[in-house]
Amino acid sequence: DVKVTQSSRYLVKRTGEKVFLECVQDMDHENMFWYRQDPGLGLRLIYFSYDVKMKEKGDIPEGYSVSREKKERFSLILESASTNQTSMYLCASSSPLQAGELFFGEGSRLTVL
Amino acid sequence: AQRVTQPEKLLSVFKGAPVELKCNYSYSGSPELFWYVQYSRQRLQLLLRHISRESIKGFTADLNKGETSFHLKKPFAQEEDSAMYYCALSSGSARQLTFGSGTQLTVLP
Repeated sequence: DVKVTQSSRYLVKRTGEKVFLECVQDMDHENMFWYRQDPGLGLRLIYFSYDVKMKEKGDIPEGYSVSREKKERFSLILESASTNQTSMYLCASSSPLQAGELFFGEGSRLTVL
Repeated sequence: AQRVTQPEKLLSVFKGAPVELKCNYSYSGSPELFWYVQYSRQRLQLLLRHISRESIKGFTADLNKGETSFHLKKPFAQEEDSAMYYCALSSGSARQLTFGSGTQLTVLP
């Protein structure tokens, strides 16, 4: 079974703090993704990566950055957290051989006060 | 740009009744469409994809290119089908998914 693990299930941060969300997958997938999930808005793509050190902006990259130094790990960084970044963050991975089949982590619920 | 629309935020049906969750898309290329499901307190997972034309847990979905739709159907709903359902379209360099806003299905006893 593919396992995508997000290190923090729940975080509470203050406005202006730097936030790191970590994601690790164990299936040697090339592609990794960060989405945020909000009621009524569904999932929106923040950033994705199709190879180590490669990254591309998704639909809502503003206020976020990412890092992929190793194939199995994809980090989402909020340089200066704001209240409108309070959300559920989902990490996912996929293989190019199974296009569109994403394996998701359990999610990280971030609250910014 | 691609877009996926799920017009119903909430849908309730009685156990044993047919259910249809609507999905419409706009995309200039040849679409690859998927349904994902999230049960309570579980992670989001793939339910089915149009290209395999399979039935999973009694659900089917047919791609209608003329109507740009990919509705999810089940003839007899079960209580365990209660979940959040997302329609998604694959595109781009990493075949990333564009999701609809989701439909919360509740199957009543």
